[in-house]
Amino acid sequence: RKEVEQDPGPFNVPEGATVAFNCTYSNSASQSFFWYRQDCRKEPKLLMSVYSSGNEDGRFTAQLNRASQYISLLIRDSKLSDSATYLCVVTYNTDKLIFGTGTRLQVFP
Amino acid sequence: DTAVSQTPKYLVTQMGNDKSIKCEQNLGHDTMYWYKQDSKKFLKIMFSYNNKELIINETVPNRFSPKSPDKAHLNLHINSLELGDSAVYFCASSLTGNQPQHFGDGTRLSIL
Repeated sequence: RKEVEQDPGPFNVPEGATVAFNCTYSNSASQSFFWYRQDCRKEPKLLMSVYSSGNEDGRFTAQLNRASQYISLLIRDSKLSDSATYLCVVTYNTDKLIFGTGTRLQVFP
Repeated sequence: DTAVSQTPKYLVTQMGNDKSIKCEQNLGHDTMYWYKQDSKKFLKIMFSYNNKELIINETVPNRFSPKSPDKAHLNLHINSLELGDSAVYFCASSLTGNQPQHFGDGTRLSIL
């Protein structure tokens, strides 16, 4: 089993739609969780950290479920500019981030 | 002002050559990393340095040798390049381990 698993997609959604991605992780000792965004031929950029109580940043909501070992990302009111690959990231040892393979989102007009 | 900068952005070279990629960060971070992203877009850590000291050394051929002259720089030297080394190499830095990382633009390495 991979350490961090994501559905590769692509998720094709119309503008204005709500879309959700899940990510599962295998190591119960995982400590920190993040969502990164990567545009085509660009570097990954931090979208948001994921906190135990769940957190929201504008149209983006992240949730953590430690019991079931998954994190989720919800995007409301999708924009064309949200089209990208969303990478789930988990850490369980100091200095080591494990990246998922990413979920591709394509928002169409 | 670029936070994490790596050079060159593109590197096209022949099999068997030796090449280096440089990385510098001006964020005052203690930890720096090298990642490889292959054609399937999987991002995999190669090395991590904390304050010039090697922390993580994943299963990487010993043709790859990182060097950190100070905590703001982490260079990657690759000997005897092979076709399978073709990928995008990203440098990143973070304040400490477990903290979010800032990535450079990437170096696109193509082996002919």
